[in-house]
Amino acid sequence: DAEITQSPRHKITETGRQVTLACHQTWNHNNMFWYRQDLGHGLRLIHYSYGVQDTNKGEVSDGYSVSRSNTEDLPLTLESAASSQTSVYFCASSETGTGSKTQYFGPGTRLLVL
Amino acid sequence: AQSVTQLGSHVSVSEGALVLLRCNYSSSVPPYLFWYVQYPNQGLQLLLKYTSAATLVKGINGFEAEFKKSETSFHLTKPSAHMSDAAEYFCAVSDPGGSNYKLTFGKGTLLTVNP
Repeated sequence: DAEITQSPRHKITETGRQVTLACHQTWNHNNMFWYRQDLGHGLRLIHYSYGVQDTNKGEVSDGYSVSRSNTEDLPLTLESAASSQTSVYFCASSETGTGSKTQYFGPGTRLLVL
Repeated sequence: AQSVTQLGSHVSVSEGALVLLRCNYSSSVPPYLFWYVQYPNQGLQLLLKYTSAATLVKGINGFEAEFKKSETSFHLTKPSAHMSDAAEYFCAVSDPGGSNYKLTFGKGTLLTVNP
């Protein structure tokens, strides 16, 4: 069955370190998204991609970057981790085209920045 | 810009009681609307979606939602709550036109089911 996987599931890092969170999907979807989830804020979009070599900023993109070199993967990089980036991170993917825009979510990565 | 408001960050019901979770949207045209559920320590799972085919939408686990354009609402209901329904529920909206595939999420409603 098609799925989205995220790794690691849990990560502890120190302030100032570079961190990369992996996202891999086997749906063959063109669209991929990264969100962060914080209490009281719901899900907020960090970055998204509509295809290989395409990347776009979401509403909370400062301090984060992504790159899309193939259809299956969209890694999220925290350039210099800050305590404010302690959060749960979710990756999602969806199809391109008219009609339904259902996004399918990964299990999440819980990140703690000390 | 589209927005979604979920009234009530926390709803508590007794097992067997009606579940009603409220969602209102702000959009210039009728959007696509979604309800997702998140169980503890898991990702989001689609419950149901409205894509203009029918105003009453049935989803998984006995949930349904009705699109009301005049009220700009898409409230989620279930006639009889079960303990396994305890989770966080998110309403989301998407622009039906063009090539905008982004979803805008509400802040979520945590549902507690009491025995």
